[in-house]
Amino acid sequence: AQSVTQLGSHVSVSEGALVLLRCNYSSSVPPYLFWYVQYPNQGLQLLLKYTSAATLVKGINGFEAEFKKSETSFHLTKPSAHMSDAAEYFCAVSDSGFGNEKLTFGTGTRLTIIP
Amino acid sequence: EAGVAQSPRYKIIEKRQSVAFWCNPISGHATLYWYQQILGQGPKLLIQFQNNGVVDDSQLPKDRFSAERLKGVDSTLKIQPAKLEDSAVYLCASSLEWGTGELFFGEGSRLTVL
Repeated sequence: AQSVTQLGSHVSVSEGALVLLRCNYSSSVPPYLFWYVQYPNQGLQLLLKYTSAATLVKGINGFEAEFKKSETSFHLTKPSAHMSDAAEYFCAVSDSGFGNEKLTFGTGTRLTIIP
Repeated sequence: EAGVAQSPRYKIIEKRQSVAFWCNPISGHATLYWYQQILGQGPKLLIQFQNNGVVDDSQLPKDRFSAERLKGVDSTLKIQPAKLEDSAVYLCASSLEWGTGELFFGEGSRLTVL
């Protein structure tokens, strides 16, 4: 079974600083990878997804992630943090790719923005 | 476009009681999922429906959990009898059958078992 590991359950950054949230995956086949965000009292929403078309993926709200096969990583970054980015972020892997969107999620990283 | 609707948002019950959660997916989405999110953990898939058929229920505790999706639209998840460890947020999500890999989630139903 495929899985993802998120390093750091809590990350704090200053407003305007770089955001880096780490995700490593385990897969025996080319994975389909996703980042979801969960704002307080809201459902999860898709930030971005890796489809194998391009290793650098751009998402909503200025976030991007780079797929690195050699490091089995899919880290999420944003150049300049904003107060509105405070939320919980989940990395996920699809078990069978598109057409069968059954996702396995990591344990999440709570991002706090320091004014 | 209306999102995924879930109810109730919050429920508090005593252990050994029963509870039911309801979900109405986005119109036209053939696939429906129920996830369990325990505090401090990522969501865990309980059951996946394709129209009104079950695709995967391998992680559903079938001795106490049941789910149905009549007519391939809305769905209910039932727990009977509830245990303390069932305290969690129950998330419903839907997606297109052959889509973009994107799941659309509801706001969740938070269950507290005392």
